[in-house]
Amino acid sequence: KNQVEQSPQSLIILEGKNCTLQCNYTVSPFSNLRWYKQDTGRGPVSLTIMTFSENTKSNGRYTATLDADTKQSSLHITASQLSDSASYICVVSHSGTYKYIFGTGTRLKVLA
Amino acid sequence: DADVTQTPRNRITKTGKRIMLECSQTKGHDRMYWYRQDPGLGLRLIYYSFDVKDINKGEISDGYSVSRQAQAKFSLSLESAIPNQTALYFCATSDRRDGNTGELFFGEGSRLTVL
Repeated sequence: KNQVEQSPQSLIILEGKNCTLQCNYTVSPFSNLRWYKQDTGRGPVSLTIMTFSENTKSNGRYTATLDADTKQSSLHITASQLSDSASYICVVSHSGTYKYIFGTGTRLKVLA
Repeated sequence: DADVTQTPRNRITKTGKRIMLECSQTKGHDRMYWYRQDPGLGLRLIYYSFDVKDINKGEISDGYSVSRQAQAKFSLSLESAIPNQTALYFCATSDRRDGNTGELFFGEGSRLTVL
C-alpha cells in the first residue's frame, strides 16, 4: 500500500535552534518527493522537490535529504525563526499516474 | 491577488443543505484538483480535472460533485451536506507541462462546518 508517514507529529523548539523532520514512504514506483509548508489557515506551499537521483537540496535555511534506498527523507531547519511555526507536509508522487500521496504532517512551533 | 482563489473562505450550514465551493485560478494551468483536509489525516483527493471536459473521481468522491466551467474555474458541490463533511477544503492546480507529478499550487482553503 502506498503510504507516507511523518514524525514527529508535533515539535516545539526555541527560536534559533535547529530541528529535523522525518518522512518515510512506501510509494512505488517513486517519482519525486516534495516538502510543503502550511501556515495556519493557509494553503500548503512547496519548499523543495527531491527526485530519485538527488540526495540533498537546500532552500535557504531549509535542507532536504533523500535516501531512495531506504525510502526516507528529512527536512532540516537551521536557526529556526518564529515564522517557521507551521505544519510541514511530505508529499510523494507516484510515477506515471496523477497520484500525490500526502503525509499527515509535522506541526512545528517555535517559541521566543 | 492570490493565484488560486477560493470562495467562500468560511461557511456554516445545516444538514441537508446544498453547498457550492468555488475555485478560480490565474496561473493558466490546465489541471485542477479538490482536496479535503481533516485533523490527523493527510489531504485526500475528492475530484480532479485535467481539462475543461475532463472530470475524474478521486479517493473520496461520494457525496460530492464538481463542475469545470472554464479552464480557470472548478467548483465543488455538496448536494446534501452532512456533518461528517465538516472539513477544510483546498483547491489546487498544476501545470500539465510538468507531467503527472508537477508541483501543486493551493488556494487558501474553504472551511466548511455542517451542523
